Amino acid sequence: NAGVTQTPKFRVLKTGQSMTLLCAQDMNHEYMYWYRQDPGMGLRLIHYSVGEGTTAKGEVPDGYNVSRLKKQNFLLGLESAAPSQTSVYFCASRNRVSVNQPQHFGDGTRLSIL
Amino acid sequence: SQQGEEDPQALSIQEGENATMNCSYKTSINNLQWYRQNSGRGLVHLILIRSNEREKHSGRLRVTLDTSKKSSSLLITASRAADTASYFCATGMNRDDKIIFGKGTRLHILP
Repeated sequence: NAGVTQTPKFRVLKTGQSMTLLCAQDMNHEYMYWYRQDPGMGLRLIHYSVGEGTTAKGEVPDGYNVSRLKKQNFLLGLESAAPSQTSVYFCASRNRVSVNQPQHFGDGTRLSIL
Repeated sequence: SQQGEEDPQALSIQEGENATMNCSYKTSINNLQWYRQNSGRGLVHLILIRSNEREKHSGRLRVTLDTSKKSSSLLITASRAADTASYFCATGMNRDDKIIFGKGTRLHILP
C-alpha cells in the first residue's frame, strides 16, 4: 500500500528556475492538498482540489500554481523560484465521504532555493 | 492564519510518564484532529474528535474536547521512546473542505 507518494524527495534550485512537484495517491481520494512547512510555522495550505479538474487557493497561494488533470495526481508548480519558497512541501489526500475524515500525508519534498 | 495553538511548544519527560499537550482554537469547529510527525517524515493521523463528543480513546491516547473553552487536550499514557515526535492539532470548520493546523508541540521522551 503506497498511500501518498511525493516526488522528488529533495531538490535544490537556483532563483528564477521553475519546477514541478508531483503528488500521487492510490486510495481513490477525491480531495488533495498541498502544504508548506517552515520552522515554527506549522503547516500552511497552499492550494487544494476537491476533484479532478478543480483547484482552489489556500492560505499562501502566491508564487505557486497547481493542476489536477487526473484524480490520482496533484501537481504543484513553481514558475520562478524565490529563496522565500525554501521549505518542506507536503501533499495530503482524503476521502470525500464526510468532513470527519482524516488526511493522509506523503513524506514531503525538501526544496532549497539558492 | 493559525486557528489552533498548541501548548507547550516543547515537552521533555521520562519514559513511562504521561505526556499532556493542549490545543486552543478561536472559532466554532466541526471536528478537531491530532497528528504526529516523526523527524523527516510526513504527518500521521492519530485521532479525530467531533464537536459533539467530549472524550475519545485510542490505545494509549486520550483526547478531550471542551467546546465552551475552545480547547482540546491529548494525553499519551506510559510514554515510550518511540513517542518522540511533534504533535499537531488541526481544526475542521463546518462544511469546509480544509483543516487548519497549529504550530505543534515537540515531545521528547528521555530514556
